[in-house]
Amino acid sequence: RKEVEQDPGPFNVPEGATVAFNCTYSNSASQSFFWYRQDCRKEPKLLMSVYSSGNEDGRFTAQLNRASQYISLLIRDSKLSDSATYLCVVTPNAGNMLTFGGGTRLMVKP
Amino acid sequence: DVKVTQSSRYLVKRTGEKVFLECVQDMDHENMFWYRQDPGLGLRLIYFSYDVKMKEKGDIPEGYSVSREKKERFSLILESASTNQTSMYLCASSDWTGDNSPLHFGNGTRLTVT
Repeated sequence: RKEVEQDPGPFNVPEGATVAFNCTYSNSASQSFFWYRQDCRKEPKLLMSVYSSGNEDGRFTAQLNRASQYISLLIRDSKLSDSATYLCVVTPNAGNMLTFGGGTRLMVKP
Repeated sequence: DVKVTQSSRYLVKRTGEKVFLECVQDMDHENMFWYRQDPGLGLRLIYFSYDVKMKEKGDIPEGYSVSREKKERFSLILESASTNQTSMYLCASSDWTGDNSPLHFGNGTRLTVT
């Protein structure tokens, strides 16, 4: 089993839709969690950290479920510009090797 | 803003050549990383470094070495390039500030080995 798993997609959604991705991790000692966004042929960029209590940044909501060992990303009111690959990242503790999921591709259509 | 700069955006090398990929960060970060990214395989860690002159193997170090002589610079070396090292190489850095220290990536070097 991979350490961090994501559904590769693609998720094809119309503009304005709400879409959610999950990411499961196998190491129960994981401490830090992030979502990155990667546009085609570009480097990954940090979208948001994921906090234990869940957190929101505009149209984006991230949640952590430690019991079931997954994190989620919810995007409301999807825009065309949200089309990208979303990578989840976990790490056992600060400064240690971050482990990336394979990414979930989102395509928002007009 | 953190800036991580990779010396080349595109590189074409021949099999057997020695290849140097350079990465410089300007935020005095402790940690630096080299990843490669391949379709269907995602991002895989090659080597990382927590301090000057310190290096640790990642998940796929075979065929690579690294050098960190100065804090701001982390070099990836392909001793004898092979075609299976054709890939996108991403350098990243992070600060040692406890939990939630995200990575900041360079814009990548697309290496083709012929």
